[in-house]
Amino acid sequence: GAVVSQHPSWVICKSGTSVKIECRSLDFQATTMFWYRQFPKQSLMLMATSNEGSKATYEQGVEKDKFLINHASLTLSTLTVTSAHPEDSSFYICSAKEAGVDNEQFFGPGTRLTVL
Amino acid sequence: AQSVTQPDIHITVSEGASLELRCNYSYGATPYLFWYVQSPGQGLQLLLKYFSGDTLVQGIKGFEAEFKRSQSSFNLRKPSVHWSDAAEYFCAVGGPGQKVTFGTGTKLQVIP
Repeated sequence: GAVVSQHPSWVICKSGTSVKIECRSLDFQATTMFWYRQFPKQSLMLMATSNEGSKATYEQGVEKDKFLINHASLTLSTLTVTSAHPEDSSFYICSAKEAGVDNEQFFGPGTRLTVL
Repeated sequence: AQSVTQPDIHITVSEGASLELRCNYSYGATPYLFWYVQSPGQGLQLLLKYFSGDTLVQGIKGFEAEFKRSQSSFNLRKPSVHWSDAAEYFCAVGGPGQKVTFGTGTKLQVIP
């Protein structure tokens, strides 16, 4: 089956630093990748949709300068949380969609970010 | 706008008992519907999906769901719950080329 990995699985950083999270599709080409944020005991909130080779589309209320998304290849998308603050602490999950398969997303295992 | 309602935040069932998790959606056309399961600290795993055709959908781990257009529902069922089914379950709705919207989740606890 389609596998999506995320790295790192858990990161702790100091306030004011930037953190990069990688999302990889291991055995398929992902033309579209999604980034979600999940607060404790809450659902997934879509942050942005990234299409390979083009700029990401951000959901309303998500700061694009704060959460930089790059989807430079068909197997890799990165989310960089810039100048992280404690309120950015959350569980970030990516998903990837195969080309030609309508609306079936494969989810990564998630990255827990803790900002001190 | 599309939306999903999971009215039960937390459900407790005995091992071996039957399970039904409720999901109601709002979508302007024929929806694509999904059920995902999430174990603590993990990503999401797709249990089953409905795109079209037979309204009773079979999924993995013995789960099934029934699409009822008249009730705008897509309830998840399992005839006999196992302790390993304890997790959080998310219903989601989308459409062709549309983003997927998730419900708030139902946490399932299984007691011996």
